[in-house]
Amino acid sequence: DAGVIQSPRHEVTEMGQEVTLRCKPISGHNSLFWYRQTMMRGLELLIYFNNNVPIDDSGMPEDRFSAKMPNASFSTLKIQPSEPRDSAVYFCASSSRFGLAGSGRVNEQFFGPGTRLTVL
Amino acid sequence: GENVEQHPSTLSVQEGDSAVIKCTYSDSASNYFPWYKQELGKRPQLIIDIRSNVGEKKDQRIAVTLNKTAKHFSLHITETQPEDSAVYFCAASMVGGNTPLVFGKGTRLSVIA
Repeated sequence: DAGVIQSPRHEVTEMGQEVTLRCKPISGHNSLFWYRQTMMRGLELLIYFNNNVPIDDSGMPEDRFSAKMPNASFSTLKIQPSEPRDSAVYFCASSSRFGLAGSGRVNEQFFGPGTRLTVL
Repeated sequence: GENVEQHPSTLSVQEGDSAVIKCTYSDSASNYFPWYKQELGKRPQLIIDIRSNVGEKKDQRIAVTLNKTAKHFSLHITETQPEDSAVYFCAASMVGGNTPLVFGKGTRLSVIA
């Protein structure tokens, strides 16, 4: 399994531009999480989906942020318009309530490599 | 909602010594407590976790203890090695619902050779 895949790995854009981050969860996982990591705020949840349905988006900073999960193998996080304070590393993670066979690790969240976003 | 506090924020130890990182949580409903290790520029990776039905769990040089009454849990690394240098995050959530993790602010561990 390739693990959680995120693209792009790095994004540099100018203030006001639209940014779209992409995530492909591990096949068979039914939960997907978007986290943001900054030095000041650490790792914080933005939004998560169970079975492609958004469950909690209270962590989304404001209306400029939106996320979708059109199917079980793809999710996007969009920022429009972007601002310098959005600069951070954005991680996508996925999990399965049933865990990996024999691992005993139900609900273990596997993180993608992250997207480092810089807004100038 | 849940709040996780983590201490210390930085920790330096000599190679071969032990390191201890402590976390407290606020929501008594939380029953799943994972620890993640993040190397510079890399993703967080799970190193050990514990559920509320046990008080201690060990995996080679790493152990985690949980005190549900006091709402705190700790990570213990023995015989530290330079490759243990990284940022360690504790987290809390509830098992059984695929709920999100609430993370502590992290501890930067430096193991000095």
